[in-house]
Amino acid sequence: EAQVTQNPRYLITVTGKKLTVTCSQNMNHEYMSWYRQDPGLGLRQIYYSMNVEVTDKGDVPEGYKVSRKEKRNFPLILESPSPNQTSLYFCASRAPGGGLDEKLFFGSGTQLSVL
Amino acid sequence: AQSVTQLGSHVSVSEGALVLLRCNYSSSVPPYLFWYVQYPNQGLQLLLKYTTGATLVKGINGFEAEFKKSETSFHLTKPSAHMSDAAEYFCAVSDMRKAAGNKLTFGGGTRVLVKP
Repeated sequence: EAQVTQNPRYLITVTGKKLTVTCSQNMNHEYMSWYRQDPGLGLRQIYYSMNVEVTDKGDVPEGYKVSRKEKRNFPLILESPSPNQTSLYFCASRAPGGGLDEKLFFGSGTQLSVL
Repeated sequence: AQSVTQLGSHVSVSEGALVLLRCNYSSSVPPYLFWYVQYPNQGLQLLLKYTTGATLVKGINGFEAEFKKSETSFHLTKPSAHMSDAAEYFCAVSDMRKAAGNKLTFGGGTRVLVKP
């Protein structure tokens, strides 16, 4: 089954404790992206990757890092989490050659709470 | 820069009644427009999209949307609400600038409650 898998589904941590949220897709997609969802603000892009070893900042990249060493994986790293990073996070991917008119495939989300 | 405004963060409809969710966008070039739906505890799924051609677009689950360039709108409708339509709906516009990284700009979302 074609899917985008995120782990963990829920995560509670404390300020300053490094964490990684994993994202993997099994569709051979080149484009992958991370969004955060906050009430009333919709989804905002954190980082995106056009292909292996090619990443760039989205609208809200501060406090986050990503890497793209393999096509299928695109982990989101919070080196020193802060309470304002408490949010619902989504990983998404798009089909190879897919332009802006193609749909995104979303993972089920990671609810992060930073105390 | 692109922006999307969804009027009403919460909408309550009776089962069988019309569902109307409003979306207005701003874009400096002809946009690609999308509606996504998010069911509880799930990721977003594409409902429908407008790219070019016919301005009335039909999607899944009986939803449709009409692109009105003069009004910069892309409202979503369904003639008869079903209990299973209870979800959050997001309008989104593609940022056509090359430097934008194939980004979708999302509206704030509208949560739909369906009353029996």
